[in-house]
Amino acid sequence: NAGVTQTPKFQVLKTGQSMTLQCAQDMNHEYMSWYRQDPGMGLRLIHYSVGAGITDQGEVPNGYNVSRSTTEDFPLRLLSAAPSQTSVYFCASGGRGQPQHFGDGTRLSIL
Amino acid sequence: AQRVTQPEKLLSVFKGAPVELKCNYSYSGSPELFWYVQYSRQRLQLLLRHISRESIKGFTADLNKGETSFHLKKPFAQEEDSAMYYCALSGEPFGGYNKLIFGAGTRLAVHP
Repeated sequence: NAGVTQTPKFQVLKTGQSMTLQCAQDMNHEYMSWYRQDPGMGLRLIHYSVGAGITDQGEVPNGYNVSRSTTEDFPLRLLSAAPSQTSVYFCASGGRGQPQHFGDGTRLSIL
Repeated sequence: AQRVTQPEKLLSVFKGAPVELKCNYSYSGSPELFWYVQYSRQRLQLLLRHISRESIKGFTADLNKGETSFHLKKPFAQEEDSAMYYCALSGEPFGGYNKLIFGAGTRLAVHP
C-alpha cells in the first residue's frame, strides 16, 4: 500500500516556468489537500478537494491551479513560477472523519 | 479569526526530562485538535487527535476549552523524540479534516 505518493521529490525552476506537482493516493480517499511548508510559518493550505470534480481555494491559492478528475490524483500546477513559491509542498489525503495522511513532500526551488 | 499559536520555536531539554509543547488556538466553534510530528526531512505523521484520548509514544495531550489550549506532554523525553511538532486545528468534525490550520511548529531537541 503506497499511501500518498508525490513526484518529483526535488525540482529547480527558473522564474516564469510552469510545472505540475503530482499527487496520487491509493486509499480511495475523498478528501485531498495541498499545503506549502515555509520556515516559521508552519503549513498553509493552498487548495483542497472533497471529491472528484470538486475543488476549492485554501489560504494561499494565488499562483496555483488544481484539478481533480479522478479520486486518486490531485495535481498542483504552478502557472508562472516566482521565487516566492520556493517551498516544500505536501499533499495529503483522508477519508470522512479520518485524519489526513501526508506524502513525502516536493522540495521546490525557484531561481 | 481561526488561528493556532505555538509560542516556542525551539524547546531544548535533556534526556529523561519532562516535556511540554504548548499550543493555543482561536476558533469560534468546536474544533478538533491534532498533533503532527515531522522527523528530519520526513513526512508529517499524526501523533495524537484529541477525540481519541490515547497516548502515543508516551505523549499525551488534553484539550482545555476554557484556556483554548492543547498542550503536548511527555514525562520523560527520549533522544528519538527530537523532531518538529505541529499543532493543527480542524473546524469540520464530520468532514475529511482536509482544511487543517497549522501552528508554526516547535522544534524539540533532546540532548543526551
